[in-house]
Amino acid sequence: AQSVAQPEDQVNVAEGNPLTVKCTYSVSGNPYLFWYVQYPNRGLQFLLKYITGDNLVKGSYGFEAEFNKSQTSFHLKKPSALVSDSALYFCAVRDPFPRGGYNKLIFGAGTRLAVHP
Amino acid sequence: ETGVTQTPRHLVMGMTNKKSLKCEQHLGHNAMYWYKQSAKKPLELMFVYNFKEQTENNSVPSRFSPECPNSSHLFLHLHTLQPEDSALYLCASSQDPAGVYNEQFFGPGTRLTVL
Repeated sequence: AQSVAQPEDQVNVAEGNPLTVKCTYSVSGNPYLFWYVQYPNRGLQFLLKYITGDNLVKGSYGFEAEFNKSQTSFHLKKPSALVSDSALYFCAVRDPFPRGGYNKLIFGAGTRLAVHP
Repeated sequence: ETGVTQTPRHLVMGMTNKKSLKCEQHLGHNAMYWYKQSAKKPLELMFVYNFKEQTENNSVPSRFSPECPNSSHLFLHLHTLQPEDSALYLCASSQDPAGVYNEQFFGPGTRLTVL
């Protein structure tokens, strides 16, 4: 079965330090991977995606993610965390098997990032 | 703003009430989705509409009834809900639901509380 795992419920980082939010996946064929962020009382916002090509993907708000095929990982990173980055982060993978003309996204359970001043 | 709006933002209802959630997307997308987000649980896909046709009903109880009158509007009709249905209900849309560039754009959600 296709799946996404976010092994950490919460990540705590001091402002100015680098941050990493982990994601591993299990999917048949080539993975198409996404990161979303959810701020309090808001819906999910698309951050970045990996389809093919360069393993380092750059996205919104200074975030980037590194695709590692051998480790089946797609970790989200930022060189210098801001307090305003505190939010809930979701990793997702596209289900490669369409149903009804649709390929659904399979989401991880989410990781709460807390950046402390 | 993502181009997807949802109303109301908050809703409190009793178990015998009937209410509806509304979603509208201004992005010209072809697919629309309802998700349920409960605390400490993964996002649950409920319904998918692709070109106004329902293509997914993820074993959702019949007390939730979706309606998609056109590709820009999506409703979720609620009746005789249970307290465990209290959650954040998110609407999303995407341009190409079967392609690789099918990132979804989400609305702000409706926080539903069932008493």
